[in-house]
Amino acid sequence: GPKVLQIPSHQIIDMGQMVTLNCDPVSNHLYFYWYKQILGQQMEFLVNFYNGKVMEKSKLFKDQFSVERPDGSYFTLKIQPTALEDSAVYFCASEGDAEQFFGPGTRLTVL
Amino acid sequence: GDQVEQSPSALSLHEGTGSALRCNFTTTMRAVQWFQQNSRGSLINLFYLASGTKENGRLKSTFNSKESYSTLHIRDAQLEDSGTYFCAAEGANTGKLTFGHGTILRVHP
Repeated sequence: GPKVLQIPSHQIIDMGQMVTLNCDPVSNHLYFYWYKQILGQQMEFLVNFYNGKVMEKSKLFKDQFSVERPDGSYFTLKIQPTALEDSAVYFCASEGDAEQFFGPGTRLTVL
Repeated sequence: GDQVEQSPSALSLHEGTGSALRCNFTTTMRAVQWFQQNSRGSLINLFYLASGTKENGRLKSTFNSKESYSTLHIRDAQLEDSGTYFCAAEGANTGKLTFGHGTILRVHP
């Protein structure tokens, strides 16, 4: 199926620092999502993004989180500042025509 | 409570046998996707259904929006089918996917 890439695959960061997770979505897709999965647990929706705007966000999408896709480049999730509870795997998803395709995830560890 | 209730939470199958996973929805959903999460954590798309039944090899999935459930049938299970299977449903007025808690499938010789 269509490939969604995520960079980096792993990130270790000290609490309080900023982190940016990068997603390279499918080229002709227009809808983008971030999900969070804590180890061994359910996948949970964070935010979706269309036409340069946040369309919907969950309670997990704290004020410290932001998303953007400047000039059609990477779709990014920025966390500033990070907290211990932000440790998780973050998945980006890309949607063109209803079906969502997921990247391999970025494992974020906040120390 | 959870909008997506997935069962069973764990399943053990002998090679060559089969079984079914089920997701019940507590609200109206307009589509469902099924994924396999492999040992590396990657989500593999298995099915997308807005209604009806689809089949792909040894897998078959059904989505009944009126009765609010979806099933994934696996037949002739192989060792490489082991992993965690998730259903995820799209609500009527949202693009977000709400995931089930997953089914850990282990296929053994």
